[in-house]
Amino acid sequence: SQQGEEDPQALSIQEGENATMNCSYKTSINNLQWYRQNSGRGLVHLILIRSNEREKHSGRLRVTLDTSKKSSSLLITASRAADTASYFCATTSIAGNNRKLIWGLGTSLAVNP
Amino acid sequence: DTAVSQTPKYLVTQMGNDKSIKCEQNLGHDTMYWYKQDSKKFLKIMFSYNNKELIINETVPNRFSPKSPDKAHLNLHINSLELGDSAVYFCASSQSGWNTEAFFGQGTRLTVV
Repeated sequence: SQQGEEDPQALSIQEGENATMNCSYKTSINNLQWYRQNSGRGLVHLILIRSNEREKHSGRLRVTLDTSKKSSSLLITASRAADTASYFCATTSIAGNNRKLIWGLGTSLAVNP
Repeated sequence: DTAVSQTPKYLVTQMGNDKSIKCEQNLGHDTMYWYKQDSKKFLKIMFSYNNKELIINETVPNRFSPKSPDKAHLNLHINSLELGDSAVYFCASSQSGWNTEAFFGQGTRLTVV
């Protein structure tokens, strides 16, 4: 069953604005990862945040994790047209012998020049 | 140098045919995966191999058979192709399983007509 759910499903902003995407999940996790997928391309790893971490930064990306609410957010600051892509969260569950990433449906981000 | 490469990028074939998709990674990773991404961009794990051994086999029809001749290669063979097999198939690899970042190939868009 699907673990992660991103919202919004689609987001359209102007270049220079910030973009925030959210991910909610259902079970306790080991870590949560964010990936970007440009149209017609494979997924590219952005950030991995562990369950004992609350915030992580990488360049213009900021990820937060709230395990009590089972949610994470990805903030892209000062967006650029090149940030136009789909963004996915993926979680690894600590339940049982689960050894796979569970993916959300993604947020489609359009950054307009 | 492409880290994870899969071929072909596009595959158009008729129902009932048998086809293969090849995947190679030059990252020295232990774990490789096959994912299927449907038209709504939902990403679903199909298979996972660790050091040439199958560790995840989701509820995939047995018309799909992965083969790992060595830990750098994971090929996917599909028998008796059906219309519903049309999707984008991604190969990926990671250093040591699901808890580390995954590197994806560029995808193979399979169209069954």
